[in-house]
Amino acid sequence: DSGVTQTPKHLITATGQRVTLRCSPRSGDLSVYWYQQSLDQGLQFLIQYYNGEERAKGNILERFSAQQFPDLHSELNLSSLELGDSALYFCASSVRGDTSYNEQFFGPGTRLTVL
Amino acid sequence: GESVGLHLPTLSVQEGDNSIINCAYSNSASDYFIWYKQESGKGPQFIIDIRSNMDKRQGQRVTVLLNKTVKHLSLQIAATQPGDSAVYFCAENPHAGNMLTFGGGTRLMVKP
Repeated sequence: DSGVTQTPKHLITATGQRVTLRCSPRSGDLSVYWYQQSLDQGLQFLIQYYNGEERAKGNILERFSAQQFPDLHSELNLSSLELGDSALYFCASSVRGDTSYNEQFFGPGTRLTVL
Repeated sequence: GESVGLHLPTLSVQEGDNSIINCAYSNSASDYFIWYKQESGKGPQFIIDIRSNMDKRQGQRVTVLLNKTVKHLSLQIAATQPGDSAVYFCAENPHAGNMLTFGGGTRLMVKP
């Protein structure tokens, strides 16, 4: 158990809908990262927050957004869902996020299925 | 469990043998590398890391080798056990960055 929690574990929804994935980092970690894992694209970085502020952005679609709250938990919002958004979404956390060499601990993931 | 990829390269080894998993990374500016293990239905689990100022680092039963000249990383697992069966990913972290770029993964299957 990495100490990172994610809810829900599974989510099934329809195209065009909006969902929110939630992540609680390890106690004491200030940075949260979101990754998408699909069969054809592998693990891809989406976005990082550090101490409440956006720190880095990867291949995140405009339909997706995220935020980190004062208690450091994070939410990833996915809207106007398409079939291709079906994937595993992982959250990771690290102690810091403003330098390199930050070991990232991954949560168990949320499996999103868009029908 | 959930499959993380249907067409991953697969390494099949006998229990007790040593395993070597290879990875080619893309960014010559990367200065931090991590190996992760992912079991079916779980998130990636940290195994070992190495900074670019080193060429070898050892952990418990695992060794990571870094060859910056050819941008190659390898993970050696000694005395491979059935519990080592999983998908292994290498990840690189560009200098002063935080986002990890993952390789495609290798499935390790350990035969009893």
